[in-house]
Amino acid sequence: DAKTTQPTSMDCAEGRAANLPCNHSTISGNEYVYWYRQIHSQGPQYIIHGLKNNETNEMASLIITEDRKSSTLILPHATLRDTAVYYCIVSGAGGTSYGKLTFGQGTILTVHP
Amino acid sequence: DTGVSQDPRHKITKRGQNVTFRCDPISEHNRLYWYRQTLGQGPEFLTYFQNEAQLEKSRLLSDRFSAERPKGSFSTLEIQRTEQGDSAMYLCASSQGTVNSPLHFGNGTRLTVT
Repeated sequence: DAKTTQPTSMDCAEGRAANLPCNHSTISGNEYVYWYRQIHSQGPQYIIHGLKNNETNEMASLIITEDRKSSTLILPHATLRDTAVYYCIVSGAGGTSYGKLTFGQGTILTVHP
Repeated sequence: DTGVSQDPRHKITKRGQNVTFRCDPISEHNRLYWYRQTLGQGPEFLTYFQNEAQLEKSRLLSDRFSAERPKGSFSTLEIQRTEQGDSAMYLCASSQGTVNSPLHFGNGTRLTVT
């Protein structure tokens, strides 16, 4: 699976949009971009995933650049409960590799009042 | 709650003892995964099952680690002769097993080996 690069930490004011970047310059054509987050003492929580098109769900939006070498997770109106470690993961869709996620260090997002 | 359930949430054991953790996946999910997470690190893949078949176990950390999913429903992870280095959070996840289906994680079992 392709490696990802994320900033170590970010801050965001409550109520503002949080934009979390991720670089995945070696992504292959059949690899998806997944975002998970982990709040202290809990298991990772799935947020969103995409292949090449932008995606939106009730939690967030995922913007993938046209060349697919980077993406941005957008939390439109951050709340204090969004404070967590956010992981950007690229995972293959072929064969038996899917589900074997490689987690990096992630981005620690702190939402301030 | 119909999410992934793990039991126990916390386990303290003495070095050399055996421990077993249980995971109940989301009922319609046929894939089940085990991950391990040490302090300050992201989760690390250990093994996974497609129904009752264990499709990869090469990432299990040593022969002291074993996992089963006897009827394709719940799974157990056993660690024999525990060592202090086994102290970690053990996470279970499940998915529908289709090409891009996301994993849904439980809240883990925190193991402390004294």
